[in-house]
Amino acid sequence: GAGVSQSPSNKVTEKGKDVELRCDPISGHTALYWYRQSLGQGLEFLIYFQGNSAPDKSGLPSDRFSAERTGGSVSTLTIQRTQQEDSAVYLCASSFEAGRGQETQYFGPGTRLLVL
Amino acid sequence: AQSVSQHNHHVILSEAASLELGCNYSYGGTVNLFWYVQYPGQHLQLLLKYFSGDPLVKGIKGFEAEFIKSKFSFNLRKPSVQWSDTAEYFCAVSNTGGFKTIFGAGTRLFVKA
Repeated sequence: GAGVSQSPSNKVTEKGKDVELRCDPISGHTALYWYRQSLGQGLEFLIYFQGNSAPDKSGLPSDRFSAERTGGSVSTLTIQRTQQEDSAVYLCASSFEAGRGQETQYFGPGTRLLVL
Repeated sequence: AQSVSQHNHHVILSEAASLELGCNYSYGGTVNLFWYVQYPGQHLQLLLKYFSGDPLVKGIKGFEAEFIKSKFSFNLRKPSVQWSDTAEYFCAVSNTGGFKTIFGAGTRLFVKA
């Protein structure tokens, strides 16, 4: 079946603008994760959804970052008033469920964000 | 603080050489351990994982990893690498009963044909 998809694949924006990044998980996957990968860094956990709920938002870097998930499917990560340090690859992953810590995560191709 | 350390950022090997990528973690409680791989132009995908039982785990494409609890390590090995193993490899850790997965910074492997 189809894998995790993300859009846009690339986004160039000006400092101070808002951006929305979209993730379509694998059908039937109830858990969804957002990560950020900055140049030369590992994956930084941002937020996790189980269904439409986000039990832990502590990974979001600042209050300019927010995320929502509707219908237990598509998720949107929004970055308001973007800063140059927000430039990174934003990865989305999904899994059948979460909470045991053992689930395999299936990753999307990522969105490369460049803030000028 | 919870962390995952991958000691080698870049590794260059010739085909047929043996591979060992180091991974150490700092994490309280019972852990689950993963190695993910990203081939050029492809998505991150699972290589292998360990939850419990035999500490020597075998994954796809001839890779294996050994969990050594006393050393907080989960090193990845392959006896004989191929050019197609050129990729970036990520070690990751999560707590049993949790959902947050901590990833290492990754190791870029280049295999010379």
